[in-house]
Amino acid sequence: AQSVTQLGSHVSVSEGALVLLRCNYSSSVPPYLFWYVQYPNQGLQLLLKYTSAATLVKGINGFEAEFKKSETSFHLTKPSAHMSDAAEYFCAVSRGSGNTGKLIFGQGTTLQVKP
Amino acid sequence: ETGVTQTPRHLVMGMTNKKSLKCEQHLGHNAMYWYKQSAKKPLELMFVYNFKEQTENNSVPSRFSPECPNSSHLFLHLHTLQPEDSALYLCASSQDWVAGGFNEQFFGPGTRLTVL
Repeated sequence: AQSVTQLGSHVSVSEGALVLLRCNYSSSVPPYLFWYVQYPNQGLQLLLKYTSAATLVKGINGFEAEFKKSETSFHLTKPSAHMSDAAEYFCAVSRGSGNTGKLIFGQGTTLQVKP
Repeated sequence: ETGVTQTPRHLVMGMTNKKSLKCEQHLGHNAMYWYKQSAKKPLELMFVYNFKEQTENNSVPSRFSPECPNSSHLFLHLHTLQPEDSALYLCASSQDWVAGGFNEQFFGPGTRLTVL
């Protein structure tokens, strides 16, 4: 079975500081991995995805994530936080081969950006 | 309209009411999903439809009844709900996964449901 663990339900950074949101996955088959962002009163928006091509994935709004198979991790980073980055972030995993359409989400991490 | 739309955006209903949530996708996808998002809980997948056929029912109580008349529309019919059913209900769509592709899901803005 697949699962996702997001370490830290709440992360607080200062504006301009590095953002690091942690995600570890468990999968018995090669996974596809996703990061989504949710702003208040909105649905989820895809930030970036890993689909077994390059291990360093660049997404929108300056975010990127690196797939590390040895560490079963897919952490999300951004060099310099903006106030507009304050939101809830979700890591998700689905099967690679034999995909059944199901996404498994982590519990989410709330990012607070302080001025 | 573009992307995935949901109506209504907000809904307040009593426990004896019957109401429906509507989702429409304008992306040409063949798979559609209902999720429940409660405060301080992870996203819960409720139902999955692929080419109008239900492929997953994640042990959802029968007071929630989905309907998928075509690949572009998805409904969630609600009846005799409980206060604990109050949540944000999100609809999503994706390409079908028959070809083995990854299922990047596109989400609607959600319906905020309050059950009194």
